[in-house]
Order: sequence, then C-alpha cells, then structure tokens
Amino acid sequence: QVQLVQSGAEMKNPGASVKVSCKTSGYTFTGYYMHWVRQAPGQGLEWMGWINPNSGDTNYAQRFQGRVTVTRDTSISTVYMDLSSLRSDDTAVYYCARGYFDSLLSSPGYWGQGTLVAVSS
Amino acid sequence: EIVLTQSPGTLSLSPGERATLSCRASQSIISTYLAWYQQKPGQAPRLLIYGASSRATGIPDRFSGSGSGTDFTLTISRLEPEDFAVYSCQQYGSSPFTFGPGTKVDIK
Repeated sequence: QVQLVQSGAEMKNPGASVKVSCKTSGYTFTGYYMHWVRQAPGQGLEWMGWINPNSGDTNYAQRFQGRVTVTRDTSISTVYMDLSSLRSDDTAVYYCARGYFDSLLSSPGYWGQGTLVAVSS
Repeated sequence: EIVLTQSPGTLSLSPGERATLSCRASQSIISTYLAWYQQKPGQAPRLLIYGASSRATGIPDRFSGSGSGTDFTLTISRLEPEDFAVYSCQQYGSSPFTFGPGTKVDIK
C-alpha cells in the first residue's frame, strides 16, 4: 500500500532553515507528482508547491519563491522540502502529499502524517 | 491566483441530517479540477472527491460532489457520527493549487 512517512518535529530559531523529508513506499516513486502543503495552527491548508520525481522539475507558489526548495532522491524514494529564512508565521504542520493519479493535474490523494515545524526564539 | 471561498464557515447539524457545503471560485476552474477533503483534529486531510464529482476509493456513497465553473457543492446525504469534521475544497487546474478556508461541520 502507498505510504508516506515524514521526518520528526523540528524547533527552529527565526532566520534558520529546516529540511523535512518524506520517505515513500508501495508505488513507483517516479510515476507520481508530490506536493507540499502546510497548515498553521487553527488555520486552513496552504499549497506550497510540487515536484515531478521523474524529472526533478518543480513549481512553487509565488509567496514561497526564493525560500522553498523541493528535491528528491530517487535511490531511496524520498522527497525533501527545504524552507529557509524561517519566521514565526512559518510555524505549521507540513505535509507531503502524492497525486492521486499519475498526472500533474491530479489532486493530492495520499498524505504523509505531517511534520510540525515550530519557529521561535 | 484562484481564490476559493467556502460557506458556511460552520454548519451545526444532527446525525442523520443532510449537509450541503458550498465552494465558490474567483474564476472558472479548468475542467472541473476541484477536490474535496475531510480533516479531523490531529489527522492529515483525506481525499473525498476529485474532478468535482468522483468519489475517491473507499469513500461512502453518502458523499457526493457536484458543480462546474465557479460553483461547487459537497453533499453528505445523512450525517454519520464520524462525519463531523472540517471540509476543504481545492482547485488543482492552475498553479497555485489553492485551498478554500474550510467548513466545520459540528454536532448540533
């Protein structure tokens, strides 16, 4: 079965960077786009971007451009999300989510368990 | 960027009642690339509906989606105790793949 297992919670100081991993299993890693979505405490879901694990191509929401980098390691079927210049309002649960179908235009259908990133001095 | 608005913000209903949730887009969504998610406290979202009206695998048929263009609806025909949760819509037809703010369905 499809499984997405994310790395553990992180506590960071303002200005630092964080790298969250998402290890996948149960399907062909290069066949499905991976999205990153975050959710601040008590708030709604916010889409951050996607990666095509086959080509490495990425697309990010404008508000995260220049601060977020999504990469992948096909040898271990893992995707990474790196967010830099952290601010207190980056405190959120970060999710990786695989496309339901093997197409860019597919809603995220399988989700990781989430990783809490807390930013505080 | 397509902005999604959901109404109502909170819906208070009793088990067995029908729930009707609305999602409105600021511009037409390409080819009904609209999804609905259910989220319970402390859990990841769960895909219910994709393509505006297709149920994801394992989703009970009391959940149905409809709509096109800018107006979409999620209907839960008869609320079960496990259906009380937050429901969010998302468009994935054009980047950024924006989400609505969510509708909370709680027990009356």
